[in-house]
Amino acid sequence: GDSVTQMEGPVTLSEEAFLTINCTYTATGYPSLFWYVQYPGEGLQLLLKATKADDKGSNKGFEATYRKETTSFHLEKGSVQVSDSAVYFCALNARRALTFGSGTRLQVQP
Amino acid sequence: EPEVTQTPSHQVTQMGQEVILRCVPISNHLYFYWYRQILGQKVEFLVSFYNNEISEKSEIFDDQFSVERPDGSNFTLKIRSTKLEDSAMYFCASSVGKTDAAGEQYFGPGTRLTVT
Repeated sequence: GDSVTQMEGPVTLSEEAFLTINCTYTATGYPSLFWYVQYPGEGLQLLLKATKADDKGSNKGFEATYRKETTSFHLEKGSVQVSDSAVYFCALNARRALTFGSGTRLQVQP
Repeated sequence: EPEVTQTPSHQVTQMGQEVILRCVPISNHLYFYWYRQILGQKVEFLVSFYNNEISEKSEIFDDQFSVERPDGSNFTLKIRSTKLEDSAMYFCASSVGKTDAAGEQYFGPGTRLTVT
């Protein structure tokens, strides 16, 4: 079945550091890929998406590229801020239900 | 900007009681979903709903669960006889429909269900 694997957290960085959160997937067909963010006490917000191979999704300084050859969708940001502290979920949509990874908690220290 | 809303934000119930969680999806969306997140764990799909019937459900969605769209705006999840392990955050989501190739789903803020 479909599955998403994310690097385990927490990831602790200093402000302005470079961020990478790894995500790989297994799916039949050609899924769409997503990153969702969950801030403390809030629900899930779509951060970015990519619908086909080599697409790059970007939003708020975050980027992720759909790599079919490595079945990956790693999240990156060049310079993190304290306000980026949250849990980040990688997800795929191969049919209609989203399959989520286990989430990676990011803590950014001033 | 249109958004998915959920009520209540927090529900406390005793084991064995019935609960109904309510959601108002975005008005022009046609697909509706429920997911749950047990504390500290991943978000899990429960059920999807289209054209007034269940289109897909997971193995978690057993006979104690049911969904309904009682009118043109609300989408509800009923748990018939709650168990301690039903304690979780329940998220409602909606999407435009079949032609949405991106499969983008919009999530509500969640209802935290605590079963005591």
